[in-house]
Amino acid sequence: KQEVTQIPAALSVPEGENLVLNCSFTDSAIYNLQWFRQDPGKGLTSLLLIQSSQREQTSGRLNASLDKSSGRSTLYIAASQPGDSATYLCAVKLTFGKGITLSVRP
Amino acid sequence: NAGVMQNPRHLVRRRGQEARLRCSPMKGHSHVYWYRQLPEEGLKFMVYLQKENIIDESGMPKERFSAEFPKEGPSILRIQQVVRGDSAAYFCASSPRYVSGDHNEQFFGPGTRLTVL
Repeated sequence: KQEVTQIPAALSVPEGENLVLNCSFTDSAIYNLQWFRQDPGKGLTSLLLIQSSQREQTSGRLNASLDKSSGRSTLYIAASQPGDSATYLCAVKLTFGKGITLSVRP
Repeated sequence: NAGVMQNPRHLVRRRGQEARLRCSPMKGHSHVYWYRQLPEEGLKFMVYLQKENIIDESGMPKERFSAEFPKEGPSILRIQQVVRGDSAAYFCASSPRYVSGDHNEQFFGPGTRLTVL
């Protein structure tokens, strides 16, 4: 059974800081991993989908990497802004982590 | 191109009533997923459907819950005889065709927040 872990559950950083959000999964037999953002009371917004054949995927200030063999993915956010404050979730094979709630302080 | 649509956005039911949640996938998407989100448990997969077929319902409670995705019209998640423990946010996601032995990128709707009194 696939398990997805995201630690820590919450993170607070000052504006402008570069940061890394971690995601680990137990079953490495995956085809892709997806990162989402969720704002309070809202649905999930897809940020990046990274295929197992890829090592990383980039969109603007976001960069996601995937290491299938070690069961890990990271989401790198460059030059964080208060508008980045949200909960970030990763998902593999219909299993979601509980998310990391990010707060970026002005 | 409209995104995934869900209605109603908020639904209040009394214990014992039925709740019916609707999901219209993105145009061109033939796969629909339903999830439930509880504050302490995170997002949990319930059921995966293609048009007129339930593909995987391993996450759905055996009793009171059912889902369908008819040839015409939205996907429906039905909860009969609701109880307070059914109070949660229910999200629907859609994706294009299933490829490479795994699920494709999913796009989520805004959710339906069910409150059972």
